[in-house]
Amino acid sequence: QVQLVQSGAEVKEPGASVKVSCQASGYSFSSYGITWVRQAPGQGLEWMGWISAYSADSNYAQKFQGRVTMTTDTSTSTAYMEVRTLRPDDTAVFYCARASVGDGPIDHWGQGTLVTVSS
Amino acid sequence: DIQMTQSPSSLSASVGDRVTITCRASQGIGSWLAWYQQKPGQAPKSLIFAASSLQSGVPSRFSGSGSGTDFTLTISSLQPEDFATYYCQQYNTYPVTFGPGTKVDI
Repeated sequence: QVQLVQSGAEVKEPGASVKVSCQASGYSFSSYGITWVRQAPGQGLEWMGWISAYSADSNYAQKFQGRVTMTTDTSTSTAYMEVRTLRPDDTAVFYCARASVGDGPIDHWGQGTLVTVSS
Repeated sequence: DIQMTQSPSSLSASVGDRVTITCRASQGIGSWLAWYQQKPGQAPKSLIFAASSLQSGVPSRFSGSGSGTDFTLTISSLQPEDFATYYCQQYNTYPVTFGPGTKVDI
């Protein structure tokens, strides 16, 4: 069965960077892409962007461009999402999710990774 | 960006009730709409794509309809495990955007 397993919770100071991983199994990793979604505490879902595991083509929401980088490693079927220059309002749960195309629906979700930004 | 709105923002219902949630897009999106369910402390779960197609394994009491700008998610007979927050999402145009959510509680 399709599984997306994310790395564990992180606590970071403002200005630091964080890199969240998402290991996929149960399907052909290169045949799909990975979408990243942010959810601040008590808030809704926010689309951050998508990366193709086949071509590494990506598309970012404008508010994250320049501060977020999405990558994939097909040798380990793992996707990564790095956020730089963290701010306290970046505190959120980050989800990876499978989507065949960037402008396409999500069919499977990771369990989420809580990133807390605090001094 | 395409703005998504949902109504109501919350509702109270009982087991067995028929529940309808509405989602509206700020411009036409064809049928490029998905619905997700999220329970407290859990990751979202995918329910519907292409406005009315059920994801694999989703119970048939869930249904979706609509096209253009107006969409609905219907739960024909609410079950205890359906108490959750529901989000719509448009994927017609970048950036993909979600609605603010509708909380369904007892």
